[in-house]
Amino acid sequence: QVQLVESGGGLVQPGRSLRLSCAASGFTLSSNAMHWVRQAPGEGLEWVAAISYDGSNTYNADSVKGRFTFSRDNSKNTLYLQMDSLRREDTAVYYCVRDSGYGSTWPLYFDLWGRGTLVSVSS
Amino acid sequence: EIVLTQSPATLSLPPGERATLSCRASQSVRSYLAWYQQKPGQAPRLLIYDVSNRATGIPARFSGSGSETDFTLTISSLEPEDFAVYYCQQRRYWPLTFGQGTRLEIK
Repeated sequence: QVQLVESGGGLVQPGRSLRLSCAASGFTLSSNAMHWVRQAPGEGLEWVAAISYDGSNTYNADSVKGRFTFSRDNSKNTLYLQMDSLRREDTAVYYCVRDSGYGSTWPLYFDLWGRGTLVSVSS
Repeated sequence: EIVLTQSPATLSLPPGERATLSCRASQSVRSYLAWYQQKPGQAPRLLIYDVSNRATGIPARFSGSGSETDFTLTISSLEPEDFAVYYCQQRRYWPLTFGQGTRLEIK
């Protein structure tokens, strides 16, 4: 079954760190760039970060630049989002998302989404 | 950053009617625009990519049009399962951006 499963969300205090994981199955993860997209409660979608198929290039939204690090281990079919210096405004459901492009043809569109994991930043 | 402005914020229509949703970009995104549908408690789903191409499994009642800065998602005859929130998204420039969404509700 082609799917993405996020884990690692939870309640964390402001200023602390959290690492999200995304396990991919049913497709060759190493072929696709990947993204994280988040959605604050009751709000719209916000693109957060992207990583190329081989991990050689990453892009971050300005809102998380310098605080979030996106990495991947294709041998384990797993992606990671290291979130440091968390702020209350980082509270959201975080979706792991596949780019529809292959190899170096990206970014295209978001064609496969996980169910999301909730991150709550509060004291 | 490319700002995508969707209108209306909320659209109320009965089943069977035609729905027209708009997305305007702050500068040209050429044809690099997609539409997503999100139902409550679910992840978004890709509907349309590159302005007018339906994603796999998307019914023909969904269509997209437009170019450069002005884009439209049309649902020709609303089915009960179509009532949801719709987002446009551009991929021409980093950062990738979404519109704020249009909520399509049953009248």
